[in-house]
Amino acid sequence: SQQGEEDPQALSIQEGENATMNCSYKTSINNLQWYRQNSGRGLVHLILIRSNEREKHSGRLRVTLDTSKKSSSLLITAPRAADTASYFCAPLNNAGNMLTFGGGTRLMVKP
Amino acid sequence: EAEVAQSPRYKITEKSQAVAFWCDPISGHATLYWYRQILGQGPELLVQFQDESVVDDSQLPKDRFSAERLKGVDSTLKIQPAELGDSAMYLCASSSWGGPDTQYFGPGTRLTVL
Repeated sequence: SQQGEEDPQALSIQEGENATMNCSYKTSINNLQWYRQNSGRGLVHLILIRSNEREKHSGRLRVTLDTSKKSSSLLITAPRAADTASYFCAPLNNAGNMLTFGGGTRLMVKP
Repeated sequence: EAEVAQSPRYKITEKSQAVAFWCDPISGHATLYWYRQILGQGPELLVQFQDESVVDDSQLPKDRFSAERLKGVDSTLKIQPAELGDSAMYLCASSSWGGPDTQYFGPGTRLTVL
């Protein structure tokens, strides 16, 4: 299986202060996905970046992928209190389709 | 927008009792997944179906857990007997074809075993 490890485990910031979360993995991937989970709820897909892409944007989200370093980052610009949630990365390899999640980054955005 | 449905949303049971969770994936999605998420951790895959067939159940504790998707549409996950350590969120997800594709998650069932 392919597991992503998020860093930091917890992040506390003020509204408007950009939030950056990192993800590392160990083997080659087909794509890497980021998900958000509000407390006690299911996961919501945020963005998918393919192995041949280096950067991708979606609204206030910016994801980068460095396959040489086996790492990805998720940047949330101008975060709001509503962005408070846990964020998970899930790398997917070519051999299968199973997503393996790390422990996530718990983001708290203070108003 | 189509969503993955799960029920119940919450379940409290006593140890040694049987519990069952139901999932209805997004219409047309061939692949269905059951995950278990312990508080403070990421989801862990329990079982994956492609249509009605099990593709991966290597992490499913088969002595007490069972899962079925008889007609290749909705699915049931059962625990019998439940143990204290089974307290967790049980998440169902579906994807359209089961390759390296986006998974769509349901709201989950929060199980508490007393």
